[in-house]
Amino acid sequence: AQSVAQPEDQVNVAEGNPLTVKCTYSVSGNPYLFWYVQYPNRGLQFLLKYITGDNLVKGSYGFEAEFNKSQTSFHLKKPSALVSDSALYFCAVSDNRDDKIIFGKGTRLHILP
Amino acid sequence: DAGVTQSPTHLIKTRGQQVTLRCSPKSGHDTVSWYQQALGQGPQFIFQYYEEEERQRGNFPDRFSGHQFPNYSSELNVNALLLGDSALYLCASSLSLGQGYEQYFGPGTRLTVT
Repeated sequence: AQSVAQPEDQVNVAEGNPLTVKCTYSVSGNPYLFWYVQYPNRGLQFLLKYITGDNLVKGSYGFEAEFNKSQTSFHLKKPSALVSDSALYFCAVSDNRDDKIIFGKGTRLHILP
Repeated sequence: DAGVTQSPTHLIKTRGQQVTLRCSPKSGHDTVSWYQQALGQGPQFIFQYYEEEERQRGNFPDRFSGHQFPNYSSELNVNALLLGDSALYLCASSLSLGQGYEQYFGPGTRLTVT
């Protein structure tokens, strides 16, 4: 069965600094990995995904994520944080045997002005 | 191009009652998934519909049922409501042409059970 772990409930970063939101996963087959963002009282917005190919994936709003198969990780990164990046971020996983997507519990990102 | 829409936005029900939530997928999408997001938690997968049939199901009781119509829209029904059913219910649509397609989420329906 698939599972996702987001070890940090909250991450605080000063505006302009690089940010990282951590995610590790467990799947039976080949992983499909996703990052979503949720703003208050809104649904989830897709940021980026890894299916196959280059381990560094670029997505919306300047975000990128690095797939590391040996560490079963898919950390979300951004070189320079903006106050508007403050939101709830979810990592999610499915595999090539099952379309069901499993979400982590979320990490609240707080960018300090 | 309309995205995923859900109705109603908010709903208040009493324990024991039944509720129906509705979802219209993004144009061109044929697969609809439903999620329950309790306060402070990540979305929990309820079930997925494709070609008017339930294709996948998460760990939810039979009180949760659904339907998909020929136009790909979908309904989520919850019977015998419990206080613990209070949550944000999210609908997501995607393409079934292959695996690994991202899901597009609607704004959700906030259900409060009193």
